[in-house]
Amino acid sequence: DIQMTQSPSSLSASVGDRVTITCQASQDISNYLNWYQQKPGKAPKLLIYDASNLETGVPSRFSGSGSGTDFTFTISSLQPEDIATYYCQQYDNLPFFGPGTKVDIK
Amino acid sequence: QVTLRESGPALVKPTQTLTLTCTFSGFSLSTSGMCVSWVRQPPGKALEWLALIDWDDDKYYSTSLKTRLTISKDTSKNQVVLTMTNMDPVDTATYYCARIGGLGYCSGGSNWGQGTLVTVSS
Repeated sequence: DIQMTQSPSSLSASVGDRVTITCQASQDISNYLNWYQQKPGKAPKLLIYDASNLETGVPSRFSGSGSGTDFTFTISSLQPEDIATYYCQQYDNLPFFGPGTKVDIK
Repeated sequence: QVTLRESGPALVKPTQTLTLTCTFSGFSLSTSGMCVSWVRQPPGKALEWLALIDWDDDKYYSTSLKTRLTISKDTSKNQVVLTMTNMDPVDTATYYCARIGGLGYCSGGSNWGQGTLVTVSS
């Protein structure tokens, strides 16, 4: 099994701040990585696929990078509607998720 | 347009078997590259992948739950069924069916059902 870790587990930032979340895979997954946003009571929403590709309709302030085992997700300018929990998920093998990062407004 | 919808009991008793059905549209699970997964999320906790079935009827399970899970498909009905035996209160969660890729060959993209909350309580 390929295990996924994320950091931090939670963060507080101000509106307009740049926010960065990291995700690490226990072995090389190439670029087979999704990033999701989940709000309470809702199913996860895909933001980034193939590690760096923006899903259609997703604001350009969201971005992703990385390959192999180390990945980064960035919100360039945090907005109030971005308050959510963010998950990475690999699909090179069985589709495991990271433990999530909860993002709040300071 | 791809849609998935979960159905099943909202409440099960400890030791009972849970059966959930995912009814989908917009794709065929007989098409090469198609896969459907089940994912659950206990209240306030993270997403946990449970099981995957592919178009070729290959089945994969979470290592920690594999003795309790069975996934199957009915291609003619566009349904995927998950059974989980010996339910316990710690299995209380929202259960999702989803197309989320996997194994390096399942088709990409991401589609989720709305989820169904299953509570385990006597």
